[in-house]
Amino acid sequence: EAQVTQNPRYLITVTGKKLTVTCSQNMNHEYMSWYRQDPGLGLRQIYYSMNVEVTDKGDVPEGYKVSRKEKRNFPLILESPSPNQTSLYFCASSLSVGQGNEQFFGPGTRLTVL
Amino acid sequence: QKEVEQNSGPLSVPEGAIASLNCTYSDRGSQSFFWYRQYSGKSPELIMFIYSNGDKEDGRFTAQLNKASQYVSLLIRDSQPSDSATYLCAVNRDGSTLGRLYFGRGTQLTVWP
Repeated sequence: EAQVTQNPRYLITVTGKKLTVTCSQNMNHEYMSWYRQDPGLGLRQIYYSMNVEVTDKGDVPEGYKVSRKEKRNFPLILESPSPNQTSLYFCASSLSVGQGNEQFFGPGTRLTVL
Repeated sequence: QKEVEQNSGPLSVPEGAIASLNCTYSDRGSQSFFWYRQYSGKSPELIMFIYSNGDKEDGRFTAQLNKASQYVSLLIRDSQPSDSATYLCAVNRDGSTLGRLYFGRGTQLTVWP
């Protein structure tokens, strides 16, 4: 089944404890992206990647890191999480960029930072 | 000015009615326009995309694009309670920001029986 997977789905952690949220897609998609969704603010892009070893900042990259060493994986790293990073996180991928390329979303990771 | 603006709603319509969702965008260079549906606690799923001026129909859904007015809309005919969700408008610009998708904050739709 073609899909985007994220792990973990739920995570409660404490301030300053490094964590990684994994994202993997099995559709051979070039483009991958991370979003966070907060009430009243909608979906905001954190980082995106056009292909292996190519990443760029979105609207809210502060406090996050990403890497794209393999085409299928795009992990999101929080080196020192803070409570303002409590949010619902989505990973998405698309075949490429350009007109009409649908982004497929993972199931989401609900992160709480205490 | 925010990239993509949507009526925050909530929008409430009776079953069988037409629901009209609106979206405006600020960048005239925008090329592709998407409507996503998101049920509470779930991930967004694509309903339609459009990139040419005019109407595009798919079943009960019609997307309308007017680039001169920088306006895109989604009409849902014969609305069903299962259409109750938040609808997200997203815009993709080509060129230097190729690949980035800008989302509106979403419009919450409730269809009551």
